[in-house]
Amino acid sequence: QLQLQESGPGLVKPSETLSLTCTVSGGSISSGSYYWGWIRQPPGKGLEWIGSFYYSGGTYYNASLKSRVTMSGDTSKNQFSLKLNSVTAADTALYYCARLNVALSGYGEFDYWGQGALVTVSS
Amino acid sequence: QSALTQPASVSGSPGQSITISCTGTSSDVGGYNYVSWYQQHPGKAPKLMIYDVSNRPSGVSNRFSGSKSGNTASLTISGLQAEDEADYYCSSYASSSTLRVFGTGTKVTVL
Repeated sequence: QLQLQESGPGLVKPSETLSLTCTVSGGSISSGSYYWGWIRQPPGKGLEWIGSFYYSGGTYYNASLKSRVTMSGDTSKNQFSLKLNSVTAADTALYYCARLNVALSGYGEFDYWGQGALVTVSS
Repeated sequence: QSALTQPASVSGSPGQSITISCTGTSSDVGGYNYVSWYQQHPGKAPKLMIYDVSNRPSGVSNRFSGSKSGNTASLTISGLQAEDEADYYCSSYASSSTLRVFGTGTKVTVL
């Protein structure tokens, strides 16, 4: 069974960089039919797609965050990561990593999710 | 790119059917058959329930069905059960630079 687990600091200061890692077990991030992505959810609010990437290259970011986001993967560790710089209180959210299944749907849908990591931006 | 519009809440009694709407534009919901629905129980990660407007992933109950007309997609839950009480989010491909947009979310209450 595929499992994803987010990890990283739970508290980040304003203007600094938020860094999260997603560790994948039970499957490989270099599997051909899958992209990997990040979605966030501010407390009590809805979902926001941050971006998705493919292990061998190709990243797609939400335009509203594109200037601040970087996603990458480490196939040797079967992990992928998110970096969001110049954070503000508006970036406080539960951050989910997820598998984007492009075999299921040509556009791809998130069929496996991590449990989420709460990141608070505060001084 | 704004979030897709969903009703804040929908309720129904056990055994009844309810429908949740998801309204977008011709640049997202209306323009592509890439609408999906996610169920989220409190404190849990979202779960994919419907993809490509009306397809169910393996393991999802056939009480859940999806459809689309124009710029509005719908999720229908038939034979409502207590376990269906959750938040539901629609999602769509968007031809704008946003690429993927979620709905505002709907809280389903089983009376």
